[in-house]
Amino acid sequence: GNSVTQMEGPVTLSEEAFLTINCTYTATGYPSLFWYVQYPGEGLQLLLKATKADDKGSNKGFEATYRKETTSFHLEKGSVQVSDSAVYFCALSDSSNTGKLIFGQGTTLQVKP
Amino acid sequence: EAGVAQSPRYKIIEKRQSVAFWCNPISGHATLYWYQQILGQGPKLLIQFQNNGVVDDSQLPKDRFSAERLKGVDSTLKIQPAKLEDSAVYLCASSPGPVTNEQFFGPGTRLTVL
Repeated sequence: GNSVTQMEGPVTLSEEAFLTINCTYTATGYPSLFWYVQYPGEGLQLLLKATKADDKGSNKGFEATYRKETTSFHLEKGSVQVSDSAVYFCALSDSSNTGKLIFGQGTTLQVKP
Repeated sequence: EAGVAQSPRYKIIEKRQSVAFWCNPISGHATLYWYQQILGQGPKLLIQFQNNGVVDDSQLPKDRFSAERLKGVDSTLKIQPAKLEDSAVYLCASSPGPVTNEQFFGPGTRLTVL
């Protein structure tokens, strides 16, 4: 079945460091891929998405590229801020168009000043 | 635009008791989802509604969980009787329609079963 695997956390970085959070997926067909973020005390928010191979999603300085050949959708940011501290979830929506999301286990990011 | 509302935010019950959660989606959103998020894991879909019809309830433990979406707007999720392993955050999400693929999440209800 479809699944998503994320790198284990927590990830601890200093402010202005480069961030990579790895995400790989297993799916049949051509899923859409997403990154959601959950700030402390808040609900999940869509951060970015990509709907087909080689698409790059971007938002708030974060980027991720849909790589079909490596079945990956790694999240990157060139310079993190303390306010980026949150839990990040990679997810896929399969090609059945029900909109059902399958999430990875989440990666906690802590950015220290 | 108001977001997805959920209540209560927190609930503590004894095992074998019953509990109900309420969700009010964003106005006009036809699709509503309930997810279960166990500590340290990603959310897992329990049930999906399109208007007031069920699209997918394959992961819903139907011997104890039930959900309804009367009139295609608000929804309730019920657990009866609760087990210890039901301790989790229950998330409600809504979407204008499944094809858009963007879901908007509520703050969740944190359930603790003692």
